[in-house]
Amino acid sequence: DTGVSQNPRHKITKRGQNVTFRCDPISEHNRLYWYRQTLGQGPEFLTYFQNEAQLEKSRLLSDRFSAERPKGSFSTLEIQRTEQGDSAMYLCASSLSYGYTFGSGTRLTVV
Amino acid sequence: AQKITQTQPGMFVQEKEAVTLDCTYDTSDPSYGLFWYKQPSSGEMIFLIYQGSYDQQNATEGRYSLNFQKARKSANLVISASQLGDSAMYFCAMRERTSYDKVIFGPGTSLSVIP
Repeated sequence: DTGVSQNPRHKITKRGQNVTFRCDPISEHNRLYWYRQTLGQGPEFLTYFQNEAQLEKSRLLSDRFSAERPKGSFSTLEIQRTEQGDSAMYLCASSLSYGYTFGSGTRLTVV
Repeated sequence: AQKITQTQPGMFVQEKEAVTLDCTYDTSDPSYGLFWYKQPSSGEMIFLIYQGSYDQQNATEGRYSLNFQKARKSANLVISASQLGDSAMYFCAMRERTSYDKVIFGPGTSLSVIP
């Protein structure tokens, strides 16, 4: 499978718990993006990596959120002390040039 | 300020008919790209078509074409011969070269194809 892989597909967590999502991009893609999508809305940009460097973070990314991309390969997005407002689909995309390839997303539900 | 506007929250089209989904955008970057993505109820984002700001001709991909009117900052998607499987959310999106090539999305249009 040469697409973008995201795990887990679904995550249900209790408020206050920490969660971590993983994204495996297409291997030759040096650019990686995280987006958040709430119901009925378009995806909102969260953060961007070029190789291992995190070059841009949205103001949506509060200090409870952290993202890494060690060695410029897979990426993780961690949310600490989850809140109900964090419930959303978290999408990862990778790119080599102008086009994005999206993963299937991780749907987070905070109860 | 919102950079991508999709004024049609929901659209209906008869099967086999053509439909146009509207998109307007705002940017001061002379080099940009415009995309349309389809998101079925399963959730995956499917790339449909791309138009570069310097492309002279409108992009086409099978039944999809992009009506690019640069002066009006408009990038409407035309779907010809609609099929039941076209029922989905459609997002217009824009990439700006001055912004790490990140893509920003519009609010989307829900398309329903009626048999």
